[in-house]
Amino acid sequence: SYVLTQPPSVSVAPGETARITCGGNDVGSKNVHWYQQKPGRAPVLIISYDSDRPSGIPERFSGSNSGNTATLTINRVEGGDEADYYCQVWDSNSDYVFGTGTKVTVL
Amino acid sequence: QVQLVESGGGLVKPGGSLRLSCTASGFIFRDYDMSWIRQAPGKGLEWVSDITSNGFIIHVADSVKGQLIISRDNARNSLYLQMKDLRVEDSAVYYCARHRTYGDYIDNWGQGTLVTVAS
Repeated sequence: SYVLTQPPSVSVAPGETARITCGGNDVGSKNVHWYQQKPGRAPVLIISYDSDRPSGIPERFSGSNSGNTATLTINRVEGGDEADYYCQVWDSNSDYVFGTGTKVTVL
Repeated sequence: QVQLVESGGGLVKPGGSLRLSCTASGFIFRDYDMSWIRQAPGKGLEWVSDITSNGFIIHVADSVKGQLIISRDNARNSLYLQMKDLRVEDSAVYYCARHRTYGDYIDNWGQGTLVTVAS
């Protein structure tokens, strides 16, 4: 089965940049989507197709994908960005695959 | 607006059964593929099963094959998950989720329903 690996946690000071990686075998050939999940809430899509932002998602959120790593970047981090973040791909053998998840802490 | 409302969760003993329901509104339910996705306490997201808009094609995660059965009733705008032979490790919040049309991601999630398997 296809596996996506994320760092368990990322800490960042307000106003700085957070980068969350999502590693998978040749993930650059797949579409990567990102979700934000705050405590007690359902996930919310924040990036689709590697780098597209749904309406209502701040421009501070961006994504890229190449080789074996996809990256979610959060610029000018705010306290409200503190959440868990998950990457996701669709794989023909494994169907919907979610990354292991990254907890972003704003210092 | 799109709404997905799950129900049916609760406390069940190991080996027991449960049926989850998800009622959809705010969109044409019969036009969308749907999934159940679960999240064990303090853990990550795990896709469980999905079903095409017409109900003809179903995919199931290997971890729950033969144990969790997805179905839908388009006339009732409802998605279901029949759960049997439940184990402690099946304890999780179960989310009903809508697939993006012609896409391979989830564009709407329900609020989730908690299933606790314990003696």
